[in-house]
Amino acid sequence: GAVVSQHPSWVICKSGTSVKIECRSLDFQATTMFWYRQFPKQSLMLMATSNEGSKATYEQGVEKDKFLINHASLTLSTLTVTSAHPEDSSFYICSALVWDIQYFGAGTRLSVL
Amino acid sequence: GENVEQHPSTLSVQEGDSAVIKCTYSDSASNYFPWYKQELGKRPQLIIDIRSNVGEKKDQRIAVTLNKTAKHFSLHITETQPEDSAVYFCAAKGAGSYQLTFGKGTKLSVIP
Repeated sequence: GAVVSQHPSWVICKSGTSVKIECRSLDFQATTMFWYRQFPKQSLMLMATSNEGSKATYEQGVEKDKFLINHASLTLSTLTVTSAHPEDSSFYICSALVWDIQYFGAGTRLSVL
Repeated sequence: GENVEQHPSTLSVQEGDSAVIKCTYSDSASNYFPWYKQELGKRPQLIIDIRSNVGEKKDQRIAVTLNKTAKHFSLHITETQPEDSAVYFCAAKGAGSYQLTFGKGTKLSVIP
């Protein structure tokens, strides 16, 4: 299957700082990528759909000014958590769409102190 | 929108036995149903999928069945092994959409 690289795998930051997470498709071009949030022992919650060259589409209840998504190339989408607070601590996972199959990155564990 | 229900939430089986996980979906137009396996702290990995024009698909010890009339699909794992222990998620994709709606997951434990 397709390879999706996500970086960093783990980040600790102070409250009020911003954190950028990168999602790269290594062996294919991905017009569409997705960003999910996963709480412990829970399912994947879709946050937004990232489309190359256009604005991301956010799910209801997700603050677009809080979670900035940029998909500037066919192989890279970034999620920036702005002014992070402890309640933003979570596991963030991206996926890339190949035809109609989603391939997932390894996830980023964000801990906000 | 689509709603996917998954049962059971936890499942324990003896090594060598079979495991079955069931999902139902609400949107009759959904046409793609993948199953993902997620080990603790790792990425979800696609293990098998089925499309709406097929009733059953098998890959070695893993099989998926789809009943479009009843709007449910199931994952069957035979001859379970300890390495099958993980959380399994079903998902459904609606027609005309690329988004997946996930079930809440089933934690499978295979007891040696």
